Amino acid sequence: AQSVAQPEDQVNVAEGNPLTVKCTYSVSGNPYLFWYVQYPNRGLQFLLKYITGDNLVKGSYGFEAEFNKSQTSFHLKKPSALVSDSALYFCAVRDRGGATNKLIFGTGTLLAVQP
Amino acid sequence: GAGVSQTPSNKVTEKGKYVELRCDPISGHTALYWYRQSLGQGPEFLIYFQGTGAADDSGLPNDRFFAVRPEGSVSTLKIQRTERGDSAVYLCASRVTSGVSDTQYFGPGTRLTVL
Repeated sequence: AQSVAQPEDQVNVAEGNPLTVKCTYSVSGNPYLFWYVQYPNRGLQFLLKYITGDNLVKGSYGFEAEFNKSQTSFHLKKPSALVSDSALYFCAVRDRGGATNKLIFGTGTLLAVQP
Repeated sequence: GAGVSQTPSNKVTEKGKYVELRCDPISGHTALYWYRQSLGQGPEFLIYFQGTGAADDSGLPNDRFFAVRPEGSVSTLKIQRTERGDSAVYLCASRVTSGVSDTQYFGPGTRLTVL
């Protein structure tokens, strides 16, 4: 069965510092991986995805993620954090069983950026 | 352009009551998904529509839950005899089905509270 794990419930970082939010995956075959962000009382907003090609994927709001097949990881990164980046971040993998293409989410990581 | 919309944004009901949650997907998106997000968890798949038909309802927790999409656009999630355990945020997502790599775009969700 496909799954993703987000090992950190919360990440704290000072504004202006680089940030990393970790995600590891377990899938059979090549994974399709996604990052979403959720602000309070709002739905999920798409940040970026890895399907194939370059291991470094660039997305919205200056975020990027690095696909590492040997470590089965897809960590989200940003060179310089903003207070406005504070939110709940979810990693997800597309289910490869059947034609539904549903997403399987991790438990989320709360990013807190201190001014 | 308009994104996925969901109504109501909040719904408070009493145990045993019937509720309907509405999702209006992005125009032209033929694939529609319902997910449920419990407190402190990532979203979990409920049901998937391709056009008017429910192609995969394997995530529905029991027969109190039902969803329709009669004209292939708006969808309604229906919950009968609500229980306190049904309290959660119900998220709707839509996707263009031109390829397996397509992104799901989420609505803001409906927060359901069963008293």
